Amino acid sequence: AQSVTQLGSHVSVSEGALVLLRCNYSSSVPPYLFWYVQYPNQGLQLLLKYTSAATLVKGINGFEAEFKKSETSFHLTKPSAHMSDAAEYFCAVSSGNTPLVFGKGTRLSVIA
Amino acid sequence: DGGITQSPKYLFRKEGQNVTLSCEQNLNHDAMYWYRQDPGQGLRLIYYSQIVNDFQKGDIAEGYSVSREKKESFPLTVTSAQKNPTAFYLCASSTTGRETQYFGPGTRLLVL
Repeated sequence: AQSVTQLGSHVSVSEGALVLLRCNYSSSVPPYLFWYVQYPNQGLQLLLKYTSAATLVKGINGFEAEFKKSETSFHLTKPSAHMSDAAEYFCAVSSGNTPLVFGKGTRLSVIA
Repeated sequence: DGGITQSPKYLFRKEGQNVTLSCEQNLNHDAMYWYRQDPGQGLRLIYYSQIVNDFQKGDIAEGYSVSREKKESFPLTVTSAQKNPTAFYLCASSTTGRETQYFGPGTRLLVL
């Protein structure tokens, strides 16, 4: 069975600082990995996904994530935080033809 | 525009009442999903359907029921057996079980 662990339920960064949101996964087969963003009272929007092609994946809004098989990680980064990045971020994993399994989410706050 | 619609945006339930949340998609996706979101608990899978006239229980199916009579529609009924229904409910769809899920805007259910 697959699982996802997001380290840190809340991360706070200053505007212009590096954003790093951590995600570790467990999967018995090569996984597909996803990062989603959710703004208050809205649905989830896909930021980026990994499907066994390039290990460095670029997404929308300047975010990127690197798949590291040896560390079973898929951390999300952005070089410079913007106030509009404040939201909740979810990592998800899929193995085989089964529904995505989501982490519990990390709330990102950006301080001016 | 292709996408997923959920209605209503807010729904109020009285004690002992069943209520139905609507989810419609025009993305021609085979798979559809219902999630419940509570603060700090991430997304929990209620039911999913990978094909018309078939659906499977997720992690928290008790007190909920679904139907999938049409490819485009996957309504969720919150029955009176669900003792703590107050939550944000999200519907999603995808081409297959492991591919990107696309989310609707959500329905917030409140108990009177």
